[in-house]
Amino acid sequence: AQKVTQAQTEISVVEKEDVTLDCVYETRDTTYYLFWYKQPPSGELVFLIRRNSFDEQNEISGRYSWNFQKSTSSFNFTITASQVVDSAVYFCALGYGGSQGNLIFGKGTKLSVKP
Amino acid sequence: GAVVSQHPSWVICKSGTSVKIECRSLDFQATTMFWYRQFPKQSLMLMATSNEGSKATYEQGVEKDKFLINHASLTLSTLTVTSAHPEDSSFYICSASLDGNYGYTFGSGTRLTVV
Repeated sequence: AQKVTQAQTEISVVEKEDVTLDCVYETRDTTYYLFWYKQPPSGELVFLIRRNSFDEQNEISGRYSWNFQKSTSSFNFTITASQVVDSAVYFCALGYGGSQGNLIFGKGTKLSVKP
Repeated sequence: GAVVSQHPSWVICKSGTSVKIECRSLDFQATTMFWYRQFPKQSLMLMATSNEGSKATYEQGVEKDKFLINHASLTLSTLTVTSAHPEDSSFYICSASLDGNYGYTFGSGTRLTVV
């Protein structure tokens, strides 16, 4: 079965702190994709990153970085020097199933960055 | 590129009435669109996969006669909540795939309140 676990329900940090959001996934597929989305209070989903199962290279984009480790089935997301604008719910998602492209979402982690 | 427009962004309707939500891919053609539902403080759950020119594929537990999906063109999918009840109140969000595989873009969502 496909599953995404985000064990951290809520995280609260003070501005400028680094914070890591955990994501553990389960799938028997050899080809799959992993995503992170940001959902601010307004509700829309903002795409952050997509990785395919064959690319374990870590990625850095500004203050954001992602650590993909197939050995532990994890795809963790780190925000460096957090800012108040980073406050949102962050979802990790697993895409599988070939061209159907279904996404399984984790339950999300609510990040609150306080000034 | 890859913009998905969803309309309306919010709607309040009376119990027993029907509500139509539109999802449009503005700058690309989407043979497949997805409809998700998100209850307050919960994750997104896939309701159905909308295929252009054919019947939608519904997830287990989703009533197809209640949630009517029409994907009449490559840029438009509609979700109609028929005979809405208060328990249908939720955040509905659509997504479309740009590259026919896993390049998902989400609409801004529709907050439905049934009174």
